Amino acid sequence: GAVVSQHPSWVICKSGTSVKIECRSLDFQATTMFWYRQFPKKSLMLMATSNEGSKATYEQGVEKDKFLINHASLTLSTLTVTSAHPEDSSFYICSARDPLQGRGEQYFGPGTRLTVT
Amino acid sequence: AQKVTQAQTEISVVEKEDVTLDCVYETRDTTYYLFWYKQPPSGELVFLIRRNSFDEQNEISGRYSWNFQKSTSSFNFTITASQVVDSAVYFCALSALMDSNYQLIWGAGTKLIIKP
Repeated sequence: GAVVSQHPSWVICKSGTSVKIECRSLDFQATTMFWYRQFPKKSLMLMATSNEGSKATYEQGVEKDKFLINHASLTLSTLTVTSAHPEDSSFYICSARDPLQGRGEQYFGPGTRLTVT
Repeated sequence: AQKVTQAQTEISVVEKEDVTLDCVYETRDTTYYLFWYKQPPSGELVFLIRRNSFDEQNEISGRYSWNFQKSTSSFNFTITASQVVDSAVYFCALSALMDSNYQLIWGAGTKLIIKP
């Protein structure tokens, strides 16, 4: 089955630094990748949708200058949290669509737990 | 509107009891997909099922079963003879065409606690 990896699985960083999270589709080419944020005891909140080779589409309320998304290849998307602050601490999950599979199917990475001190 | 409602925030049962998690959806699409995911404490989402809107047959997979009823816009999930390992948060989701991309619309999730 389709596998999506995320790296790192957890990261602790100091306030003011930037953190990059990688999302890779391992056995398929993902034309579209999604980035979610999940607060404790809450559902997944879509942050942005990225299509390979084009700019990401951000959801309302998500700061594009703080959460930089790059989808430079069909197997890799990155999320960079710039100048991180404690309120950016959260669980970040990426997913990828395999265009050869059914409409709406997304394959999820294991998530990255970010803690900003 | 495109919406998924999981009205049960938390359910607690004793092991071996049957439990049903409710999911009600709203969509303007005539063709759509519905999903159930399990999220254990580790956080990694586990895919359970995908159902096409044209297929109203109920599905059974071991102790898990799903009841899809278009007439009531519901896609309920039943665990038979629950086990402690079933404890997790369960999400129902709907695929919807939003801004030229198919996105998942998520329910709020139901936290299931199975007590030994």
